[in-house]
Amino acid sequence: DAGVTQSPTHLIKTRGQQVTLRCSPKSGHDTVSWYQQALGQGPQFIFQYYEEEERQRGNFPDRFSGHQFPNYSSELNVNALLLGDSALYLCASSWGQGLRGYTFGSGTRLTVV
Amino acid sequence: AQTVTQSQPEMSVQEAETVTLSCTYDTSESNYYLFWYKQPPSRQMILVIRQEAYKQQNATENRFSVNFQKAAKSFSLKISDSQLGDTAMYFCAFMKGDGANSKLTFGKGITLSVRP
Repeated sequence: DAGVTQSPTHLIKTRGQQVTLRCSPKSGHDTVSWYQQALGQGPQFIFQYYEEEERQRGNFPDRFSGHQFPNYSSELNVNALLLGDSALYLCASSWGQGLRGYTFGSGTRLTVV
Repeated sequence: AQTVTQSQPEMSVQEAETVTLSCTYDTSESNYYLFWYKQPPSRQMILVIRQEAYKQQNATENRFSVNFQKAAKSFSLKISDSQLGDTAMYFCAFMKGDGANSKLTFGKGITLSVRP
Protein backbone atom coordinates (compact mmCIF):
# COMPACT_ATOMS: atom_id res chain seq x y z
CA ASP A 1 0.00 0.00 0.00
CA ALA A 2 1.71 3.18 -1.19
CA GLY A 3 1.93 5.99 1.30
CA VAL A 4 1.98 9.67 0.40
CA THR A 5 3.99 10.36 -2.74
CA GLN A 6 5.46 13.76 -3.50
CA SER A 7 7.25 15.01 -6.61
CA PRO A 8 9.78 16.22 -7.33
CA THR A 9 12.06 15.43 -4.39
CA HIS A 10 14.34 18.39 -5.03
CA LEU A 11 13.91 21.56 -7.02
CA ILE A 12 16.00 24.67 -7.69
CA LYS A 13 14.24 27.79 -8.94
CA THR A 14 15.23 31.39 -9.58
CA ARG A 15 13.70 34.27 -7.65
CA GLY A 16 10.55 35.52 -9.38
CA GLN A 17 9.75 32.19 -11.03
CA GLN A 18 6.73 30.01 -10.39
CA VAL A 19 6.76 26.43 -9.10
CA THR A 20 4.27 23.54 -8.88
CA LEU A 21 4.66 20.72 -6.37
CA ARG A 22 2.61 17.55 -6.56
CA CYS A 23 1.20 15.12 -4.01
CA SER A 24 -0.62 11.79 -4.24
CA PRO A 25 -2.32 10.88 -0.97
CA LYS A 26 -2.28 7.51 0.70
CA SER A 27 -4.84 5.09 -0.69
CA GLY A 28 -8.20 5.64 1.01
CA HIS A 29 -7.41 9.18 2.11
CA ASP A 30 -9.49 12.09 0.83
CA THR A 31 -7.97 15.12 2.57
CA VAL A 32 -4.65 16.72 1.69
CA SER A 33 -2.77 19.33 3.69
CA TRP A 34 0.40 21.21 2.82
CA TYR A 35 3.08 22.38 5.23
CA GLN A 36 6.21 24.48 4.85
CA GLN A 37 9.20 23.50 6.97
CA ALA A 38 12.11 25.93 7.14
CA LEU A 39 15.49 24.51 8.08
CA GLY A 40 15.64 23.63 11.77
CA GLN A 41 12.01 24.57 12.39
CA GLY A 42 8.70 22.81 12.80
CA PRO A 43 6.29 22.60 9.85
CA GLN A 44 3.91 25.52 9.29
CA PHE A 45 0.41 24.88 7.94
CA ILE A 46 -0.24 26.35 4.48
CA PHE A 47 -3.69 25.02 3.57
CA GLN A 48 -5.93 21.97 3.43
CA TYR A 49 -8.05 20.58 0.62
CA TYR A 50 -11.13 18.41 0.90
CA GLU A 51 -13.64 17.58 -1.84
CA GLU A 52 -11.60 19.71 -4.25
CA GLU A 53 -12.05 22.84 -2.16
CA GLU A 54 -9.74 24.76 0.16
CA ARG A 55 -11.14 24.07 3.61
CA GLN A 56 -8.60 25.87 5.79
CA ARG A 57 -5.74 28.25 5.20
CA GLY A 58 -2.78 29.30 7.31
CA ASN A 59 -0.99 32.65 7.33
CA PHE A 60 0.50 32.47 3.88
CA PRO A 61 0.18 35.10 1.11
CA ASP A 62 -1.94 34.64 -1.97
CA ARG A 63 1.20 33.70 -3.90
CA PHE A 64 0.58 30.27 -2.43
CA SER A 65 -2.31 28.50 -4.08
CA GLY A 66 -3.43 24.94 -4.48
CA HIS A 67 -5.73 22.53 -6.14
CA GLN A 68 -7.20 19.12 -5.45
CA PHE A 69 -8.25 16.81 -8.24
CA PRO A 70 -11.14 14.31 -8.33
CA ASN A 71 -8.69 11.47 -7.55
CA TYR A 72 -7.71 13.38 -4.35
CA SER A 73 -4.22 14.22 -5.56
CA SER A 74 -3.13 17.80 -5.02
CA GLU A 75 -0.84 20.52 -6.29
CA LEU A 76 0.79 23.41 -4.48
CA ASN A 77 1.65 26.43 -6.61
CA VAL A 78 3.90 29.28 -5.55
CA ASN A 79 4.17 32.39 -7.72
CA ALA A 80 6.82 35.13 -7.72
CA LEU A 81 9.25 33.06 -5.69
CA LEU A 82 11.24 34.76 -2.95
CA LEU A 83 14.49 33.60 -1.38
CA GLY A 84 12.51 33.07 1.83
CA ASP A 85 10.35 30.46 0.12
CA SER A 86 13.29 28.05 0.26
CA ALA A 87 12.11 25.21 2.48
CA LEU A 88 10.94 21.62 2.66
CA TYR A 89 7.32 21.36 1.53
CA LEU A 90 5.45 18.49 3.12
CA CYS A 91 2.19 16.99 1.98
CA ALA A 92 0.04 15.15 4.50
CA SER A 93 -3.07 13.11 3.84
CA SER A 94 -5.86 11.78 6.01
CA TRP A 95 -9.31 10.34 5.84
CA GLY A 96 -11.82 13.01 6.75
CA GLN A 97 -10.73 15.46 9.40
CA GLY A 98 -7.50 13.72 10.31
CA LEU A 99 -8.28 13.37 14.00
CA ARG A 100 -6.38 10.10 14.11
CA GLY A 101 -3.32 11.79 12.65
CA TYR A 102 -1.92 12.44 9.24
CA THR A 103 0.35 10.44 6.95
CA PHE A 104 3.17 12.55 5.60
CA GLY A 105 5.22 12.31 2.45
CA SER A 106 8.99 12.77 2.33
CA GLY A 107 8.62 16.29 1.02
CA THR A 108 9.97 18.44 -1.78
CA ARG A 109 13.10 20.41 -1.00
CA LEU A 110 12.73 23.78 -2.80
CA THR A 111 15.74 26.04 -3.13
CA VAL A 112 15.24 29.55 -4.50
CA VAL A 113 18.39 31.25 -5.79
CA ALA B 1 -4.38 30.75 18.80
CA GLN B 2 -2.59 27.66 19.96
CA THR B 3 1.12 27.50 20.67
CA VAL B 4 3.40 24.52 21.20
CA THR B 5 6.72 24.92 22.97
CA GLN B 6 9.63 22.51 22.93
CA SER B 7 12.35 24.20 24.94
CA GLN B 8 15.06 21.54 24.63
CA PRO B 9 16.77 21.88 21.23
CA GLU B 10 18.91 18.77 21.58
CA MET B 11 19.16 15.66 23.74
CA SER B 12 21.43 12.65 23.78
CA VAL B 13 20.88 9.22 25.31
CA GLN B 14 22.82 6.00 25.55
CA GLU B 15 21.44 3.01 23.68
CA ALA B 16 19.05 0.92 25.82
CA GLU B 17 18.44 3.76 28.26
CA THR B 18 15.30 5.82 28.78
CA VAL B 19 14.84 9.42 27.68
CA THR B 20 12.02 11.94 28.14
CA LEU B 21 11.27 14.72 25.69
CA SER B 22 9.31 17.71 26.98
CA CYS B 23 6.49 19.67 25.40
CA THR B 24 4.12 22.31 26.69
CA TYR B 25 1.21 23.90 24.89
CA ASP B 26 -1.20 26.74 25.34
CA THR B 27 -4.85 26.64 24.31
CA SER B 28 -8.28 27.69 25.50
CA GLU B 29 -9.87 24.66 23.82
CA SER B 30 -11.25 21.81 25.89
CA ASN B 31 -11.43 19.26 23.09
CA TYR B 32 -8.17 18.62 21.29
CA TYR B 33 -5.59 16.05 20.28
CA LEU B 34 -1.85 15.94 20.86
CA PHE B 35 0.71 14.10 18.80
CA TRP B 36 4.38 13.25 18.73
CA TYR B 37 5.93 12.92 15.29
CA LYS B 38 9.41 11.64 14.44
CA GLN B 39 11.37 13.00 11.48
CA PRO B 40 14.47 10.96 10.60
CA PRO B 41 17.01 12.12 8.00
CA SER B 42 14.74 10.63 5.33
CA ARG B 43 12.52 13.69 6.06
CA GLN B 44 9.26 11.77 6.28
CA MET B 45 7.26 12.75 9.33
CA ILE B 46 6.17 9.57 11.13
CA LEU B 47 3.40 9.47 13.73
CA VAL B 48 4.76 8.11 17.00
CA ILE B 49 1.85 8.48 19.39
CA ARG B 50 -1.48 10.25 19.77
CA GLN B 51 -3.37 11.45 22.84
CA GLU B 52 -7.00 12.54 23.05
CA ALA B 53 -7.41 15.33 25.59
CA TYR B 54 -10.63 13.95 27.04
CA LYS B 55 -8.93 10.66 27.93
CA GLN B 56 -7.17 10.66 31.29
CA GLN B 57 -5.22 7.51 30.52
CA ASN B 58 -1.80 8.15 29.05
CA ALA B 59 -1.26 6.71 25.57
CA THR B 60 1.36 4.02 25.01
CA GLU B 61 2.77 2.46 21.84
CA ASN B 62 5.32 -0.24 22.51
CA ARG B 63 8.48 1.55 23.79
CA PHE B 64 6.83 4.97 23.56
CA SER B 65 4.57 6.46 26.20
CA VAL B 66 3.38 9.91 27.14
CA ASN B 67 2.85 11.77 30.38
CA PHE B 68 -0.18 13.95 29.68
CA GLN B 69 -0.85 16.59 32.33
CA LYS B 70 -3.91 18.48 31.09
CA ALA B 71 -4.06 21.06 33.86
CA ALA B 72 -0.38 21.88 33.43
CA LYS B 73 -0.71 21.72 29.63
CA SER B 74 2.23 19.41 29.45
CA PHE B 75 2.73 16.48 27.08
CA SER B 76 6.08 14.68 27.43
CA LEU B 77 7.25 11.65 25.46
CA LYS B 78 9.15 8.84 27.13
CA ILE B 79 11.22 6.49 25.01
CA SER B 80 12.26 3.31 26.78
CA ASP B 81 15.07 0.98 25.71
CA SER B 82 16.37 3.58 23.22
CA GLN B 83 17.58 2.21 19.90
CA LEU B 84 19.93 3.68 17.32
CA GLY B 85 16.99 3.97 14.94
CA ASP B 86 15.32 6.39 17.34
CA THR B 87 17.85 9.05 16.31
CA ALA B 88 15.73 11.76 14.67
CA MET B 89 14.00 15.08 15.21
CA TYR B 90 10.88 14.80 17.35
CA PHE B 91 7.99 17.22 17.04
CA CYS B 92 5.13 17.77 19.41
CA ALA B 93 1.90 18.86 17.68
CA PHE B 94 -1.56 20.11 18.63
CA MET B 95 -4.87 19.76 16.80
CA LYS B 96 -8.27 21.16 17.73
CA GLY B 97 -10.89 18.50 18.18
CA ASP B 98 -13.84 20.26 16.57
CA GLY B 99 -13.16 18.79 13.16
CA ALA B 100 -13.66 22.07 11.35
CA ASN B 101 -10.11 23.17 12.03
CA SER B 102 -7.95 20.09 11.88
CA LYS B 103 -4.61 21.66 11.09
CA LEU B 104 -1.57 20.62 13.09
CA THR B 105 0.35 23.23 15.06
CA PHE B 106 3.93 22.04 15.60
CA GLY B 107 6.64 22.93 18.07
CA LYS B 108 10.16 23.71 16.89
CA GLY B 109 11.29 20.16 17.50
CA ILE B 110 14.06 18.47 19.42
CA THR B 111 17.01 16.60 17.95
CA LEU B 112 17.51 13.27 19.70
CA SER B 113 20.79 11.39 19.30
CA VAL B 114 21.11 7.81 20.51
CA ARG B 115 24.71 6.86 21.25
CA PRO B 116 25.93 3.27 20.74
